[in-house]
Amino acid sequence: KAGVTQTPRYLIKTRGQQVTLSCSPISGHRSVSWYQQTPGQGLQFLFEYFSETQRNKGNFPGRFSGRQFSNSRSEMNVSTLELGDSALYLCASSFSAGNYGYTFGSGTRLTVV
Amino acid sequence: GESVGLHLPTLSVQEGDNSIINCAYSNSASDYFIWYKQESGKGPQFIIDIRSNMDKRQGQRVTVLLNKTVKHLSLQIAATQPGDSAVYFCAENDSGGSNYKLTFGKGTLLTVNP
Repeated sequence: KAGVTQTPRYLIKTRGQQVTLSCSPISGHRSVSWYQQTPGQGLQFLFEYFSETQRNKGNFPGRFSGRQFSNSRSEMNVSTLELGDSALYLCASSFSAGNYGYTFGSGTRLTVV
Repeated sequence: GESVGLHLPTLSVQEGDNSIINCAYSNSASDYFIWYKQESGKGPQFIIDIRSNMDKRQGQRVTVLLNKTVKHLSLQIAATQPGDSAVYFCAENDSGGSNYKLTFGKGTLLTVNP
């Protein structure tokens, strides 16, 4: 059974640019969550999607957005990149979130220069 | 409020010893808890979970203890091995609150000395 796949693994962008990250969940999982991990703030929740609907959003500016497709694959987008957006972006999939296990991908390392 | 920066607790043990990693959680309504292990350059890896109707759960070489009275969670690793060296996170979820998110602790760096 394939795990959670995130692409790309590494990305370098310039301030002001935008970026799109992709996440393919485990087959059969319909919930996809995104987290940002930085040394200063740890793991912070960005948003969660289930059946193409965003059910919850973390405390991040509107420059951070996401979506989920009918096959449960998800993308997140960050517009007008800032240096502080440099982080490891992690995707987690779950059967339905709540009190089911969450499986994480290896993440996308974004560096903004 | 949010912490300005993280001070990561560290635990250093000798190979073969037992390790205990502690975590204080914040939401008394949380009813589902997970321990994750994160190695350098990788995403968090699921270790073990526990629901709030349990006090203890055992896995292979690992045991999680839950004390809801003081909102405390611990992970015990038996016969710690060098491959156990990593950052360990606890995470909590209030599944009844329909918030569909995990709230993570700051993490503990475990170093196993051969």
